[in-house]
This record gives sequence, structure tokens and C-alpha cells, in this order.
Amino acid sequence: EAQVTQNPRYLITVTGKKLTVTCSQNMNHEYMSWYRQDPGLGLRQIYYSMNVEVTDKGDVPEGYKVSRKEKRNFPLILESPSPNQTSLYFCASSSHVENTEAFFGQGTRLTVV
Amino acid sequence: KQEVTQIPAALSVPEGENLVLNCSFTDSAIYNLQWFRQDPGKGLTSLLLIQSSQREQTSGRLNASLDKSSGRSTLYIAASQPGDSATYLCAVRGNTPLVFGKGTRLSVIA
Repeated sequence: EAQVTQNPRYLITVTGKKLTVTCSQNMNHEYMSWYRQDPGLGLRQIYYSMNVEVTDKGDVPEGYKVSRKEKRNFPLILESPSPNQTSLYFCASSSHVENTEAFFGQGTRLTVV
Repeated sequence: KQEVTQIPAALSVPEGENLVLNCSFTDSAIYNLQWFRQDPGKGLTSLLLIQSSQREQTSGRLNASLDKSSGRSTLYIAASQPGDSATYLCAVRGNTPLVFGKGTRLSVIA
């Protein structure tokens, strides 16, 4: 089954404690991206990757890091989380072929206290 | 920079009505447009994908249209049901991954 898997689904952490949210896809997609969703602001892109070892900033990259060492994985790293990073996070993947749909993970609800 | 706008932000209709959700985008150089449904606190469910060369796409009671030159798409929902209550998001794909609108929150009242 084609899927994008995020872990964990829920996470409560304290300010400053480094964390990683994992994202893995099994469709051999070239494109992967991270979004955060906040009330009234919609889904905003954090980082995206067009292929292995190629990453670019999205609209709200501050406070986040990503890496793309393998095609299937695209982890999101928060080196020093702060309360304003409390949000619902989504990972997505899609093929480089233009007219194909994007697939999304189930989301990670992060709370930073 | 691509910007996507959805109108209205919220909509409440009685059960059985046909309704239209609107999506507009500023850069017409898109590859495709995708409509999603999101239930509160949940993930995104893909409803329809319209390729840039297509004018419309249908799935059950849903019909989505695309006018690329004017930067507009509509999602038509026929004979609405309470189970259709959710937030509907449109997203466009160009040279970079998807750019989303803020969504339309739909409530269908029984």
C-alpha cells in the first residue's frame, strides 16, 4: 500500500530539548516536503526536497532543519524547540512527474511547553 | 510567489443543498491542482486531482473545475450530507511542492 508514515503522531516536549520527527514514503517519490498547520494560518511549507541531498527553504524555515540522505526518508529536526513551534505537522511526498498527486502523512501533533 | 485564496472561509448549508467552494491562485503556471478534505485534528484526504490540461474532474457527488488562465478552480458538491462537514483545502503545484489555500470550513446541517 502506498503511504507516507510519520512518527510520532503525538509529542509533548519541553523548550530546548532537541527532537526529530521522522517521515518515510514507500513510493520512490523524488519530492518530499514538510508543512505546519496553525489555526487561521492554514498549511505553510517549512522545507522541501526535490531529491536526495537537495533541500530548500519553504515559507517558514526558521527553527527547523531537514536532511535527505536517502530517497525514502525526510526527517524534520527541531534543534531547540520553542512554544511557538507548537503545531500540527504534515509530511508529503510526490513524484517529479508533473501531473501526479501528492500523498500526505497522518500528521504529528507537537506541543512544546 | 504563488498565493492561493479560498472563499468563503466558512459556509453553513442545510442538508440536500448543492454548493460551490472557490479557489483562486495568482500564478497560472501550474502543473496541477488538488482538492483535499480535512476533518478536525485529522490528516488530509485527497478528493480530486485536476491536471493543468484538464477542465474538470468528477468523483461521485464531487465535481472540480479548473480555469488555469484566470487562476480559478471550483469544487461543486451535489446533494450535501452532514457527513460532508469538514474543511476543504485546495492546493496548487508548480515548480515547487504544493501551495495551499487556508481552506473553507463547511457545515452541513441535518
